[in-house]
Amino acid sequence: DQQVKQNSPSLSVQEGRISILNCDYTNSMFDYFLWYKKYPAEGPTFLISISSIKDKNEDGRFTVFLNKSAKHLSLHIVPSQPGDSAVYFCAASGRMDSSYKLIFGSGTRLLVRP
Amino acid sequence: DSGVTQTPKHLITATGQRVTLRCSPRSGDLSVYWYQQSLDQGLQFLIQYYNGEERAKGNILERFSAQQFPDLHSELNLSSLELGDSALYFCASSPHLRDEQYFGPGTRLTVT
Repeated sequence: DQQVKQNSPSLSVQEGRISILNCDYTNSMFDYFLWYKKYPAEGPTFLISISSIKDKNEDGRFTVFLNKSAKHLSLHIVPSQPGDSAVYFCAASGRMDSSYKLIFGSGTRLLVRP
Repeated sequence: DSGVTQTPKHLITATGQRVTLRCSPRSGDLSVYWYQQSLDQGLQFLIQYYNGEERAKGNILERFSAQQFPDLHSELNLSSLELGDSALYFCASSPHLRDEQYFGPGTRLTVT
């Protein structure tokens, strides 16, 4: 049972354009969402997060949008740069079984073409 | 550099063997997490420790165990290894129970 889904395994965009990565979740107990970036042969790197009390959080070129009614979040990268080419994971957290766990999606591989 | 260190970087062993993966969290972080990433799959949460105590369990097999020591470093023990255990194993740490997690570079385990 995948509680966090990234339905697009890959995405290709032109340098300078917007990259939009999507993520859906099913568990209404999730109240904290994060995006991580992963380069080959490295561990995931934290990018940006959002609490369920907000619908938008911005950090430089990265903006995360949360639509609670649709159980959907997205990561916008503007403008996209070749160095953004990586695998992006969304993750969700909520209080379950007296603990908090991060549940990760399967990732979206972003390729930014020069 | 996240500040989380993992050793060894690579490990090749045979089926039926036992291995230990080691993780040192970022300075000051009390929580340590272990994840498994199999080929082309997402990160599967295995287990979390907070200040020496187990706090959350995920899809961790009974053949696997972990502990966190008083100096906060953690070890993941994998025993009776099977071919399907070949994967990247990541350790992450965070200051407390529910913060952004910072990942180490991973240990690549190959079981032959």
